[in-house]
Amino acid sequence: NAGVTQTPKFRILKIGQSMTLQCTQDMNHNYMYWYRQDPGMGLKLIYYSVGAGITDKGEVPNGYNVSRSTTEDFPLRLELAAPSQTSVYFCASRPSGGVSYNEQFFGPGTRLTVL
Amino acid sequence: AQSVSQHNHHVILSEAASLELGCNYSYGGTVNLFWYVQYPGQHLQLLLKYFSGDPLVKGIKGFEAEFIKSKFSFNLRKPSVQWSDTAEYFCAPYQAGTALIFGKGTTLSVSS
Repeated sequence: NAGVTQTPKFRILKIGQSMTLQCTQDMNHNYMYWYRQDPGMGLKLIYYSVGAGITDKGEVPNGYNVSRSTTEDFPLRLELAAPSQTSVYFCASRPSGGVSYNEQFFGPGTRLTVL
Repeated sequence: AQSVSQHNHHVILSEAASLELGCNYSYGGTVNLFWYVQYPGQHLQLLLKYFSGDPLVKGIKGFEAEFIKSKFSFNLRKPSVQWSDTAEYFCAPYQAGTALIFGKGTTLSVSS
């Protein structure tokens, strides 16, 4: 299994541009998450999904959108990039049962800079 | 909403010193508690977890943590740190119905 994969690894955007951060998992996990990590602030939850077709806002959803059309994919969309969205973005997934219940598996992250 | 507090922002130790990182959480119900580690330039990896049972849990690389329900604490310990333990450490209780809630993290720097 590849686990959780994210693309791209790095991206520089200009203010006002849009982009989609891709996240795919091959573990058949129902739950998926997007976090952003800023220095000294830990990870903040942006959006999460409990299954295909179901998404919900986390702590810091403003400026972002998500969709979940399949179990495997959970893309994060930035419509109008702003400097405040400069961050490292992590996608995660977890199973809905079993011995790893509630353990989240993380992707390698996308480092985004908005200038 | 649940919150989590990590007491140490930056800890500097020499190799072979003992380590204890504090973590307190706010939720009083059933808790699942995690410590994650992030080595420089890498993504988060699970260090250890507590779901139920023995409050002293052991993780990878010689780390352990003790769940003390009365103190709402889940402190991370290691008897003797190594240079390779230099990393950022995150305490993360699971908030029922949503996701892991992360502390601000503790940066550990170990000098050889």
